[in-house]
This record gives sequence, C-alpha cells and structure tokens, in this order.
Amino acid sequence: QVELQESGPGLVRPSETLSLTCAVSNYSISSGYYWGWIRQPPGKGLEWIGSFYHSGSTYYNPSLKSRVTISVDTSKNQFSLRLSSVTAADTAVYYCARAPLYCSGDSCYPGPVHYWGQGTLVTVSS
Amino acid sequence: QSALTQPRSVSGSPGQSVTISCTGTSSDVGGYDYVSWYQQHPGKAPKLMIYDVSKRPSGVPDRFSGSKSGNTASLTISGLQAEDEADYYCCSYAGRYTFVVFGGGTKLNVL
Repeated sequence: QVELQESGPGLVRPSETLSLTCAVSNYSISSGYYWGWIRQPPGKGLEWIGSFYHSGSTYYNPSLKSRVTISVDTSKNQFSLRLSSVTAADTAVYYCARAPLYCSGDSCYPGPVHYWGQGTLVTVSS
Repeated sequence: QSALTQPRSVSGSPGQSVTISCTGTSSDVGGYDYVSWYQQHPGKAPKLMIYDVSKRPSGVPDRFSGSKSGNTASLTISGLQAEDEADYYCCSYAGRYTFVVFGGGTKLNVL
C-alpha cells in the first residue's frame, strides 16, 4: 500500500516562502505516476497546485505557476513544494498525492488521485 | 468561485437514493470523459469514489455510481448509509491550458 506523509512548518509569515516535503513509502517515485500537491483552504474546495511525472513532464496550476517550485529527491524517495510570496489566501490544508498519467491529444496531466497524504495545515499569518 | 457548479447540500434518509450534480461547460465536463468524484469526511483526506465518469476503484461499494449527460455529471448513491454523510467533490479535465478543475463541493446529510 502506497503511503504519503507531508511535513513542514505549520505557520508561515506573509511574503515568505512556504516549504513542504512529502515522503513516499512502498513505491518508488521514479517508477511512474504523477506526484504532486493539492490544497484546500478552510471550509472551501480543492485545488491542484502542481505535479511532476517521473519522465519529466510537469503540470502546474496556471494561477499559481509563477510562485510554485516542485523538486524531487529520488535518493530519499520524497518530493517538495515551495510556494513563494505567500498571503493569507494561501492558508490551507496541503495534501501530497499520487495520480496516474492521463493524456488528451498532445497534452498530459495528472488523472484521478488514488493516493493522498493525510494533509498538513499551513497558516499564513504574522 | 469554483469552475464546476455543485449544490451546496443534499439530503436523504437511510436506504434512499440521492444524486449530486456537477455542472460545467463544453470545455470541461462536456468535452471529456474524465470526471472523477471524491468523498471527504471531516478532518480526513479525500477518497476517490468514481473516475472516468463511471468507473469505481477497487473497494468502493457498487452503491456509488457516476454518469454524465452533456455538461452535467452526476454521482448517485443508492441505499444511503449513515457513513455516507460527507462532502463530495467533482473534478474534470478542462483542456490543455486549464488542465484540472474541481467543483465547490456538496455536503450530503443523511437524515
């Protein structure tokens, strides 16, 4: 059973950079699938942030792309999220996720999420 | 405002059936057979219940079914049980520039 576990600070100051890590167990992130981040503001809906595929394909939410960096450490079987210049609107539960590769025409993207981390609340406040 | 429109809440009694709608446009729900549905209990991560409009992951009861007509997708839960009380979110592919969009969520109350 694939397991994902988020970790990182629960409080970030406005204008600073949010950093989270997702440790993956029981599956090598180099073996396939999209791996990425989804967030959920308190009391609100879900939003894909960004993801990467082992072959190098990436997906970023166009509305967040300029502030998002996703990096991978295959030696530790984990990946990380950095979201810069945060504001209160970035306060949310952040989930790491695994999704299959879906392609439509010449574009590929993360399909339905079968595996989720438990989520970690990040609050942006001074 | 979410890209896909869902009712804020629906209700049903144990044993009954309920249907949750998810309305989009021809650029997302209506244009592709890539609609998925997630169940989320309070404080928990979402759980995939339906994908590719009507497919069920292993372990999801066949009381849960999905369908689509035009720009509206639907999740039907038959034989309602108390544990079905949760929030439900739809999700759709929305083309090569927007990619993936979610609905705002529907609170299912089991009376």
